Amino acid sequence: DAKTTQPPSMDCAEGRAANLPCNHSTISGNEYVYWYRQIHSQGPQYIIHGLKNNETNEMASLIITEDRKSSTLILPHATLRDTAVYYCIVRVAGTSYGKLTFGQGTILTVHP
Amino acid sequence: GAVVSQHPSWVICKSGTSVKIECRSLDFQATTMFWYRQFPKQSLMLMATSNEGSKATYEQGVEKDKFLINHASLTLSTLTVTSAHPEDSSFYICSASRTSGTYEQYFGPGTRLTVT
Repeated sequence: DAKTTQPPSMDCAEGRAANLPCNHSTISGNEYVYWYRQIHSQGPQYIIHGLKNNETNEMASLIITEDRKSSTLILPHATLRDTAVYYCIVRVAGTSYGKLTFGQGTILTVHP
Repeated sequence: GAVVSQHPSWVICKSGTSVKIECRSLDFQATTMFWYRQFPKQSLMLMATSNEGSKATYEQGVEKDKFLINHASLTLSTLTVTSAHPEDSSFYICSASRTSGTYEQYFGPGTRLTVT
């Protein structure tokens, strides 16, 4: 699976949008971009994933650049409960055995 | 939907004993389950991939005789840490992959193991 690069930490004010970048310049054509987050001492939580089109769900939006070499996860109205480590992972989808390789992620701190 | 449970949520055991951790997919079937380990202030590290009805595939450096994995049904996988030592103290997390769709993984809440 392709490697990803994320900033180690970011801050965001409560109620504002949090934009978390991810670089995946070596992504292959059949690899999806996945985002997970891990709140302290809990298991990771799936957020969203996409291939090349922008995606939105009840938690977040995912913007993927046209060349697919980078993406941005957007939390539109961050709350204190969104403080967590956010992981951007690229992975071949369509198989149940596709491994997730976790990097160091971005520690997002939402402050009042 | 897509709930994965783990039991126990935390366990303390003495050095030399064995500990079994269960991972269950509660509302979906999972052909494949994964076991991860996470040390403090570090990221998750994949230990092994478990397929229902077959032997687990271990990542390089993970001792298969020490970390026994059994995936007997489409909703249950177990990890047994045999002859535990203090250095095995860690946060163990499982995930389960759906058997259809885009196969995204859903994670359990984790099990905190402390070996004294």
